[in-house]
Amino acid sequence: GENVEQHPSTLSVQEGDSAVIKCTYSDSASNYFPWYKQELGKRPQLIIDIRSNVGEKKDQRIAVTLNKTAKHFSLHITETQPEDSAVYFCAASNGGGYQKVTFGTGTKLQVIP
Amino acid sequence: DAMVIQNPRYQVTQFGKPVTLSCSQTLNHNVMYWYQQKSSQAPKLLFHYYDKDFNNEADTPDNFQSRRPNTSFCFLDIRSPGLGDAAMYLCATSRQAYTDTQYFGPGTRLTVL
Repeated sequence: GENVEQHPSTLSVQEGDSAVIKCTYSDSASNYFPWYKQELGKRPQLIIDIRSNVGEKKDQRIAVTLNKTAKHFSLHITETQPEDSAVYFCAASNGGGYQKVTFGTGTKLQVIP
Repeated sequence: DAMVIQNPRYQVTQFGKPVTLSCSQTLNHNVMYWYQQKSSQAPKLLFHYYDKDFNNEADTPDNFQSRRPNTSFCFLDIRSPGLGDAAMYLCATSRQAYTDTQYFGPGTRLTVL
């Protein structure tokens, strides 16, 4: 089955700086890579996703890059704000049959004002 | 305009006393999922329904059961809760396959005394 590793487990940045979270996956058939943000006590919410037919996707201050050869993908947050503080989960799925979405272990991001 | 609704939001039960958690959705999505999330961990998939087809994860204990009487509703039954079952239980939906965006409900926090 798929295995997703996520680093770092915790990340502290100053407000305005950039934050990068990295994930690697094991199943070369995986083709869908969502990122979820989960604030304390709240539900996970999709913030961006990327499919294997593109290498990069951007949405305002958030971007995701995908390197299929190396089997890793990264989340980039620029100009961080205190409201970006949360736990971020990467995930991977190949969508084939009943292949589930496999989550990474999460990164707790703290943005220091 | 809540899309995925979970009831109750907080549930306290006694060791060994059966409990049922409910999830409803207004999105008319075909797939409904149940996840267990413990503190500081990623959501762990318990099972899912693709329409009426039930799919159990291999490591989901028999103590956990699920019902989906119609498209809109899905229930999680814990037959004999143990202390280790205390967690946040998240329901999610997606339109079709795993490569569609998953929409999470607010979760039910289960406490076992």
